[in-house]
Amino acid sequence: DAKTTQPPSMDCAEGRAANLPCNHSTISGNEYVYWYRQIHSQGPQYIIHGLKNNETNEMASLIITEDRKSSTLILPHATLRDTAVYYCIVRGPTGRRALTFGSGTRLQVQP
Amino acid sequence: NAGVTQTPKFQVLKTGQSMTLQCAQDMNHEYMSWYRQDPGMGLRLIHYSVGAGITDQGEVPNGYNVSRSTTEDFPLRLLSAAPSQTSVYFCASSYDIYTEAFFGQGTRLTVV
Repeated sequence: DAKTTQPPSMDCAEGRAANLPCNHSTISGNEYVYWYRQIHSQGPQYIIHGLKNNETNEMASLIITEDRKSSTLILPHATLRDTAVYYCIVRGPTGRRALTFGSGTRLQVQP
Repeated sequence: NAGVTQTPKFQVLKTGQSMTLQCAQDMNHEYMSWYRQDPGMGLRLIHYSVGAGITDQGEVPNGYNVSRSTTEDFPLRLLSAAPSQTSVYFCASSYDIYTEAFFGQGTRLTVV
């Protein structure tokens, strides 16, 4: 699975969009990009995933660049409850058949 | 559906003791995995399974054993607990490699 790079921390004002970047320059054509988050000490929670097209669900949007070497998770209207560590994970049919977490981005939503 | 259930939620062990952390899922998922999370750190994969009877090692397997005799259960055994195994342990399951993984609420283990 390709390695990912995320900034260690970010701040966002409540009500504004939070844009969390992820670099995955070694991603291969059959690898997906996944986003999970971990609020405080709870178990991680799935947010969204995509292959090449942009994706949107009730929680967030995922924008993947055309060359697929980077992506951005967008929380359109961040709330205090979105304060969490966000993990970007690349996963495909080869390699270890379990999620491998990096250090993620700690998002602090400010009132 | 209960999802992924981990028991116990908290446990204190003495060095050298053994114990089993339980993980059960009721979603008929083939894929299950165990992680540990030390304070201020990310999750590290201990062991995982892609179906009953099939297990494999993750990033930090030493000191832990697993087996998968049923689809529903994936217990994690600590053979001889050490203070370095003090951590929060999470179990996860998913239908396959591509679908979302569901996590349990964790077991907080302290080894004294």
